[in-house]
Amino acid sequence: KNEVEQSPQNLTAQEGEFITINCSYSVGISALHWLQQHPGGGIVSLFMLSSGKKKHGRLIATINIQEKHSSLHITASHPRDSAVYICAVASGGGADGLTFGKGTHLIIQP
Amino acid sequence: ETGVTQTPRHLVMGMTNKKSLKCEQHLGHNAMYWYKQSAKKPLELMFVYSLEERVENNSVPSRFSPECPNSSHLFLHLHTLQPEDSALYLCASSQEMGVSYEQYFGPGTRLTVT
Repeated sequence: KNEVEQSPQNLTAQEGEFITINCSYSVGISALHWLQQHPGGGIVSLFMLSSGKKKHGRLIATINIQEKHSSLHITASHPRDSAVYICAVASGGGADGLTFGKGTHLIIQP
Repeated sequence: ETGVTQTPRHLVMGMTNKKSLKCEQHLGHNAMYWYKQSAKKPLELMFVYSLEERVENNSVPSRFSPECPNSSHLFLHLHTLQPEDSALYLCASSQEMGVSYEQYFGPGTRLTVT
């Protein structure tokens, strides 16, 4: 079973700061997902990646397959970025499902 | 606006009650999922349905009973729950079954068992 570790667990930063959230996993994967969960509970998929780097607006996700590590970066952070960011990995196909990290609780202060 | 809706959004029930959670997706997806999110714990996959057939049951107690009458609807029937079952229950869907497909989540049902 894949172990997914996220760091930090909690992060408070000032508006405008560059944010990095890290995710490490123990077993080789077929895909890694970054999700965003707002206080109301709803979850939005931000990225799905299996190699390299993806960018969407102020968000950048990178993955290093050899090191079993992924990072989510937020540039020019804003209070509306405050949320829980969850890393999830897919170790195989079919109905194996995703293994989720515990999440990183991010607060951006104005 | 999410393409996956869940009702009710909040539910309080006693341990002897029977209730059902409903999920509906308007995305034309073939796979649907139930997840449980307890406080301070990662999301846990409960059930997976592909083309209305259950393909995964992650050792979920029988007091949780899923039903998928068609590819757009998914239910979770609840009976004789325990207080530790209090959690956020999330439904998701994807184009096909398989973890390489992006999953679209509903807003969740916040369940409290008293």
